[in-house]
Amino acid sequence: AQSVTQLGSHVSVSEGALVLLRCNYSSSVPPYLFWYVQYPNQGLQLLLKYTSAATLVKGINGFEAEFKKSETSFHLTKPSAHMSDAAEYFCAVGRSGSARQLTFGSGTQLTVLP
Amino acid sequence: GAGVSQTPSNKVTEKGKYVELRCDPISGHTALYWYRQSLGQGPEFLIYFQGTGAADDSGLPNDRFFAVRPEGSVSTLKIQRTERGDSAVYLCASSDPGSSYNEQFFGPGTRLTVL
Repeated sequence: AQSVTQLGSHVSVSEGALVLLRCNYSSSVPPYLFWYVQYPNQGLQLLLKYTSAATLVKGINGFEAEFKKSETSFHLTKPSAHMSDAAEYFCAVGRSGSARQLTFGSGTQLTVLP
Repeated sequence: GAGVSQTPSNKVTEKGKYVELRCDPISGHTALYWYRQSLGQGPEFLIYFQGTGAADDSGLPNDRFFAVRPEGSVSTLKIQRTERGDSAVYLCASSDPGSSYNEQFFGPGTRLTVL
């Protein structure tokens, strides 16, 4: 079974400050890990994905995430927040093979303060 | 190219009615998924199609929910005897099964409101 925990349902940062959104996963097999962003009234957009090629993954809009197996974590970071980063962020875990559905965390709403 | 599209974008219905939600996947994507996203929650898996057949329907909450994909492209999610608890955003996603890491592309969703 797979599960995802996102610590902090709401995170507020000042514009220009570091963004850190936390994600911990549980998986019985090596996972595929994803971060998606959802803007109001829009679908999910893929930010980045971990597929075992490299532990530090760079995504769109300046975001990156580091896979840490020992901590079962895949935290999302961005060095300098922009007002346009305000959105909801979801971490998800997936598998190959027959169990192909993604399991999502409950999401973190990011607010960027001017 | 065109992304995943879903119609309608909004659907308001009365308790007990039947509804159909449509999903058009990305051309060439043989894998299609339905998820349900309740307010304040992450998406929850409902059903996965590989081609025309449902490969995994373990997420369907009960027998009022059913989905089809008769020609391996467009899919319809059908909900009978709707209940207020069915109100949610229903998301569709598709992926290229040749992708080893199962990257899924999502549509904008259908917001279902059951009065």
